[in-house]
Amino acid sequence: DIQMTQSPSSLSASVGDRVTITCRASQSISSYLNWYQQKPGKAPKLLIYAASSLQSGVPSSFSGSGSGTDFTLTISSLQPEDFATYYCQQSYTSPITFGQGTRLEIK
Amino acid sequence: QVQLVQSGAEVKKPGASVKVSCKASGYTFTSYGISWVRQAPGQGLEWMGWISAYNGNTNYAQKLQGRVTMTTDTSTSTAYMELRSLRSDDTAVYYCARDGGELRTFDYWGQGTLVTVSS
Repeated sequence: DIQMTQSPSSLSASVGDRVTITCRASQSISSYLNWYQQKPGKAPKLLIYAASSLQSGVPSSFSGSGSGTDFTLTISSLQPEDFATYYCQQSYTSPITFGQGTRLEIK
Repeated sequence: QVQLVQSGAEVKKPGASVKVSCKASGYTFTSYGISWVRQAPGQGLEWMGWISAYNGNTNYAQKLQGRVTMTTDTSTSTAYMELRSLRSDDTAVYYCARDGGELRTFDYWGQGTLVTVSS
């Protein structure tokens, strides 16, 4: 199975900050990398697909980059509604696997 | 608008089975697959498997092989996930998600179904 490792596991930041979350795959997954946001008690929401494509309706403050084994999710200017847990997911091969999550908290 | 509506919470005893439903609307059901993902309390996301709504083909996570069965009813645009021989560590919120195309993005999710396994 492909292991997905996110860093950091948790992060404290302030409204207006620029934040970057990284995700590393245990082997190359080309650009088959998706990012999800999850708020407490809610289902995950797709933010970025194919490493860098913004899902419809997602603010342009979110962006993704990377290919192969190293990927990043960047939020250019944090808004109050962005405080949540973020997961990367590889869809290159079965079984689909997720990172362990990055909890983004208000400083 | 695309919606996936799941069945309600369940409480089961160890060794029992549970069947969760996921009713789709707002799109052509047979044009996409459905993946099931679960989340134990306070934990991350775990992919359980996938079913093609077009032809019923399935792909299950190895750790659940033999205990899980995913099916669809195209007449009602509903997907089902049955998990047998329940254990306490199966306690989780179970989600269905629309799984589409080569990129295998999960672009729409159900609201989740809490399954509690307790004696």
